[in-house]
Amino acid sequence: TQLLEQSPQFLSIQEGENLTVYCNSSSVFSSLQWYRQEPGEGPVLLVTVVTGGEVKKLKRLTFQFGDARKDSSLHITAAQPGDTGLYLCAVSASNDYKLSFGAGTTVTVRA
Amino acid sequence: EPEVTQTPSHQVTQMGQEVILRCVPISNHLYFYWYRQILGQKVEFLVSFYNNEISEKSEIFDDQFSVERPDGSNFTLKIRSTKLEDSAMYFCASSEAAPFTEAFFGQGTRLTVV
Repeated sequence: TQLLEQSPQFLSIQEGENLTVYCNSSSVFSSLQWYRQEPGEGPVLLVTVVTGGEVKKLKRLTFQFGDARKDSSLHITAAQPGDTGLYLCAVSASNDYKLSFGAGTTVTVRA
Repeated sequence: EPEVTQTPSHQVTQMGQEVILRCVPISNHLYFYWYRQILGQKVEFLVSFYNNEISEKSEIFDDQFSVERPDGSNFTLKIRSTKLEDSAMYFCASSEAAPFTEAFFGQGTRLTVV
């Protein structure tokens, strides 16, 4: 079982500010996915990263996969209230048929 | 846009009763999953299903749980004799391929065992 640590656990910022959340493990991942979950709903896939050092951008969201494929970060530029939610990272091993999730970072963007 | 749909959205059941949670995965997907999330806790893997059989299951998925794809479209999770600790959000997911491909989740079924 791969243990994922997400930090910080909670983050509250003002609209327009930037934020970064992290996902770390001592294990190497085959791939890593970021999801966003709103209360009472299912996780919604944001991005998948597979290559060490990879950077992907999705509008104001920038995702980075560590060179050693053990960690990842999600950076949001000029956050908006609509970015509020629980951000989850999830990984799977090369021979796994499952995703293992981190506990998530709860992001609150105040208007 | 294709999506995973789950029914019911909320189910209340008495302890000891059987429940069946239903899911319609995305139509061209081949791998199906159930996850659960107890309030305030992590999303936890229960089981994966491919080619009409279980590919992998977690320790949570004991003899009280079963899955089935009865008609080629629905994917069901049955809990035979519910316990209070089974109260959780249950999410169905599907993916085009596996392992480590993108999984798409349904909106979830909130199961409350009283």
